[in-house]
Amino acid sequence: AQSVTQPDIHITVSEGASLELRCNYSYGATPYLFWYVQSPGQGLQLLLKYFSGDTLVQGIKGFEAEFKRSQSSFNLRKPSVHWSDAAEYFCAVVTGSARQLTFGSGTQLTVLP
Amino acid sequence: SQTIHQWPATLVQPVGSPLSLECTVEGTSNPNLYWYRQAAGRGLQLLFYSVGIGQISSEVPQNLSASRPQDRQFILSSKKLLLSDSGFYLCAWSRGQTMNTEAFFGQGTRLTVV
Repeated sequence: AQSVTQPDIHITVSEGASLELRCNYSYGATPYLFWYVQSPGQGLQLLLKYFSGDTLVQGIKGFEAEFKRSQSSFNLRKPSVHWSDAAEYFCAVVTGSARQLTFGSGTQLTVLP
Repeated sequence: SQTIHQWPATLVQPVGSPLSLECTVEGTSNPNLYWYRQAAGRGLQLLFYSVGIGQISSEVPQNLSASRPQDRQFILSSKKLLLSDSGFYLCAWSRGQTMNTEAFFGQGTRLTVV
């Protein structure tokens, strides 16, 4: 069965530090991968997506992610974190013909001043 | 541009009462529609999806049901709520007949069953 693993439940970084959130997927075919961000009590906002082509994808708010097929990973990165980046981050993969998503359990990001 | 509306934003309901959450999408046609649930401290779980009017697929057997009476309307219902139905419910849509598409999410409904 398809699955997405986000091994880090909670990450704390200082403002201005770099960030990497890990995501590993299990999917037999070429995956369609996403990172979403959720502020408390809000819906999900798409940060970036990978469908095919260049394995390094750029997203909004200065985020990027790299697809590595050999490692079944799609890690999210940001060179310098801002306090407003504090939120919960979800990795997801399309797992059906109706483009339904399977999500990881999420990583809660805390940013220290 | 496309928008998705989901209401109510918050809801407190007693155990055994009925439930109806509504979601509508504007600015597109023939969307795929989805209901996800996010329980406290957990990720998002797909409950139902629909690729067309009257077509509902259930991912997890439970106390809930879904209906799609119109192309851009998706309703989540229950006849009798359980305590375990508490959670954050998110409606989403994606472009039908399009492989390279992301899902767009509503603002969610916080349901507390007491």
